[in-house]
Amino acid sequence: DTGVSQDPRHKITKRGQNVTFRCDPISEHNRLYWYRQTLGQGPEFLTYFQNEAQLEKSRLLSDRFSAERPKGSFSTLEIQRTEQGDSAMYLCASRKGPSGSGQETQYFGPGTRLLVL
Amino acid sequence: GENVEQHPSTLSVQEGDSAVIKCTYSDSASNYFPWYKQELGKRPQLIIDIRSNVGEKKDQRIAVTLNKTAKHFSLHITETQPEDSAVYFCAASPPYSSASKIIFGSGTRLSIRP
Repeated sequence: DTGVSQDPRHKITKRGQNVTFRCDPISEHNRLYWYRQTLGQGPEFLTYFQNEAQLEKSRLLSDRFSAERPKGSFSTLEIQRTEQGDSAMYLCASRKGPSGSGQETQYFGPGTRLLVL
Repeated sequence: GENVEQHPSTLSVQEGDSAVIKCTYSDSASNYFPWYKQELGKRPQLIIDIRSNVGEKKDQRIAVTLNKTAKHFSLHITETQPEDSAVYFCAASPPYSSASKIIFGSGTRLSIRP
């Protein structure tokens, strides 16, 4: 499978615990996004990487959230001291080219569903 | 920032009939408008997209129209089939940030009645 992959697919944790999710983008894509999707809503942008540089973060990304892409390939999203409101689907997407290039389609991974008890 | 409104939130049509989903956006500078289909428990998948220099685009049974003046864009599905049942999201991409992030609407749950 050469699409975007995410691990784990499901995570159940207790409030206050830390969790980490991984995203592996399509190999030739240097642009990577994290989104959060709650039930009945569209995905909401969290953060963006171009290669290893984190270039944009949403105000939704509180200081308990941190994302990395150390070698410009896979990325991790960590949530510290989880809260029940963090329960959601966390989606990763990757893209090959810049805006207007004709290669701006974002391809999504299957997501990690987080449940905080 | 950009805001995307989508209507209706649910839509039920008879198999073979057409379905239309409408969206409005707030930022007149947005220049890229993708549509994603998300089946239950699966990832969003791009079904069609349109750029601001084009008014209409068609791909088999799916078409998208864009009215830049009114800041409206619509998805049209003709000859609907059971496999069209899913949640559809419209989205807009404002050009201001390096991220070219996409702002999604809240989705339309489309059901095709046999």
